[in-house]
Amino acid sequence: AQTVTQSQPEMSVQEAETVTLSCTYDTSENNYYLFWYKQPPSRQMILVIRQEAYKQQNATENRFSVNFQKAAKSFSLKISDSQLGDTAMYFCAFMKQSSGSARQLTFGSGTQLTVLP
Amino acid sequence: DAGVIQSPRHEVTEMGQEVTLRCKPISGHNSLFWYRQTMMRGLELLIYFNNNVPIDDSGMPEDRFSAKMPNASFSTLKIQPSEPRDSAVYFCASSPLPFGRRLAGELFFGEGSRLTVL
Repeated sequence: AQTVTQSQPEMSVQEAETVTLSCTYDTSENNYYLFWYKQPPSRQMILVIRQEAYKQQNATENRFSVNFQKAAKSFSLKISDSQLGDTAMYFCAFMKQSSGSARQLTFGSGTQLTVLP
Repeated sequence: DAGVIQSPRHEVTEMGQEVTLRCKPISGHNSLFWYRQTMMRGLELLIYFNNNVPIDDSGMPEDRFSAKMPNASFSTLKIQPSEPRDSAVYFCASSPLPFGRRLAGELFFGEGSRLTVL
């Protein structure tokens, strides 16, 4: 079984500053995907960024980037130039790579990020 | 596309009543997932379907919970009888078949149904 751990229940950052959210996971799989999802007050979960475990290069999406350390089983999210709209709960998630039907996500407990004006 | 559509958005009911939550996945998506979110337990997968067939229902809490997907455009999650501990936000999500590796893994979530059982 896979587990995903987010050790920071809450974080805050000043607008325009940079913040890093931590995530570690435990798995015996070698091929998998990692994700960061964002849940704003509207409740809808939105995919922020995805990383394939077979790729050594860290994924980047505009102001969002990850630091993926496969050996350490660490997957942190960096948000640069934080904006008020980034205020949300952020979830780290894991999915086994499978050609079959097992494609469910395992989520961490979340980190509530507040961007301060 | 309208995205994943869930109804009702909010439901308040009394203990013992039947509750039915509904989900319309994104057209063309072949996988559908039901998740439950609570403060205590976070996001838990309840059940998921591939091509309308239930694949894994090991997350369904107990026999009071049941889920169906009669066709590719509709799914229900039913709780009968409901209990106060069922109070949570229930999310439906859908996913397309992986296309190579690029799309693999992305789930598209609805806005959730907030259930309160008094």
